[in-house]
Amino acid sequence: LAKTTQPISMDSYEGQEVNITCSHNNIATNDYITWYQQFPSQGPRFIIQGYKTKVTNEVASLFIPADRKSSTLSLPRVSLSDTAVYYCLVGDHGGGFKTIFGAGTRLFVKA
Amino acid sequence: EAQVTQNPRYLITVTGKKLTVTCSQNMNHEYMSWYRQDPGLGLRQIYYSMNVEVTDKGDVPEGYKVSRKEKRNFPLILESPSPNQTSLYFCASSSRGYNEQFFGPGTRLTVL
Repeated sequence: LAKTTQPISMDSYEGQEVNITCSHNNIATNDYITWYQQFPSQGPRFIIQGYKTKVTNEVASLFIPADRKSSTLSLPRVSLSDTAVYYCLVGDHGGGFKTIFGAGTRLFVKA
Repeated sequence: EAQVTQNPRYLITVTGKKLTVTCSQNMNHEYMSWYRQDPGLGLRQIYYSMNVEVTDKGDVPEGYKVSRKEKRNFPLILESPSPNQTSLYFCASSSRGYNEQFFGPGTRLTVL
């Protein structure tokens, strides 16, 4: 499994766009990039998953450059309720279930 | 409603008293997993299962056992709990190995 590196914490204000970057230099050909959100004392919740270029859903966008050695989760117009820990995971899509979450990025959104 | 359930949600026990935390999913998922979460250490995988009767160790399996006799259930067993197993435990399931994982609400365990 590829190791991931994320900033430990980030601050933002309501209404701003937040970009969280994850570094995964050793990503393998079959690996997908998945992001989860976790609120205190709750289980993580899936946000978005991608393999290359850009993926967008109703809550976020995921940007993956051509070399796939990093990825950026973009949260448009954050609100106070987006204050949470965000985890970047890299792994083989459908190939097994060994999972490493890492430390995540603690996002704090201020009014 | 599609969900992962865990029981109990809270448990206080004493060292050495065997306990089981149950996990059940109603989504017919093949893959299930157990994690523990401790302050400053993030989520760490204990065991995972790719199908009935197929389980494997995660990063921190010592002191834990699991079984997967039915597709929907994946209990976590602590044969002789110790205080260092005091933690928040999460069960998760997914339809394939690296598809979206659905997490349960968590079980907060305290071992005295």
